[in-house]
Amino acid sequence: AQSVTQLGSHVSVSEGALVLLRCNYSSSVPPYLFWYVQYPNQGLQLLLKYTSAATLVKGINGFEAEFKKSETSFHLTKPSAHMSDAAEYFCAVSTLTGGFKTIFGAGTRLFVKA
Amino acid sequence: DAGITQSPRHKVTETGTPVTLRCHQTENHRYMYWYRQDPGHGLRLIHYSYGVKDTDKGEVSDGYSVSRSKTEDFLLTLESATSSQTSVYFCAISESRQDFGYTFGSGTRLTVV
Repeated sequence: AQSVTQLGSHVSVSEGALVLLRCNYSSSVPPYLFWYVQYPNQGLQLLLKYTSAATLVKGINGFEAEFKKSETSFHLTKPSAHMSDAAEYFCAVSTLTGGFKTIFGAGTRLFVKA
Repeated sequence: DAGITQSPRHKVTETGTPVTLRCHQTENHRYMYWYRQDPGHGLRLIHYSYGVKDTDKGEVSDGYSVSRSKTEDFLLTLESATSSQTSVYFCAISESRQDFGYTFGSGTRLTVV
């Protein structure tokens, strides 16, 4: 069975600083990995996904994530935080042998200080 | 998202009453899911469907049932609502493969008093 762990339920950065949100996964088969963003009172929106092509994946709003198999990680980064990036971010994993299901992490809330 | 709508958006109900939440999609996607979101737990899968009349349980299915009689509609029913079912419920849809990612509805905030 697959699982996801997001390190840090809350992360605070200053505007213009690097954003780093950590995600580690567990899977016995090659995973598909996703990052979603949720703004207040809205549903989740797909930010980016890794599907076994390039290990560095670029998403919307300047975010990117790197798949590192040796570290079982899929950390989300953005070089320069903007106030509009304040939201909750979810890492998720699915596999071909995991049925039609995706498993989500507990989420990390990002705060951006002016 | 314009292709998926949930109704109602908010509901307050009393303990012991049945409640039905509706998810409607216009994308003709085969797969539909119901998740609940609670602080500290992320999203947990309640039930999912891989086609009309084809459904299966997720990790937190106790106290919930689902039905899918048409491709576009996926209903979630709380047979007898309890306070522990107070949550935000999200419907999601996906295309055929696990690597496509989900499109989520805007959620239903349910309060059981």
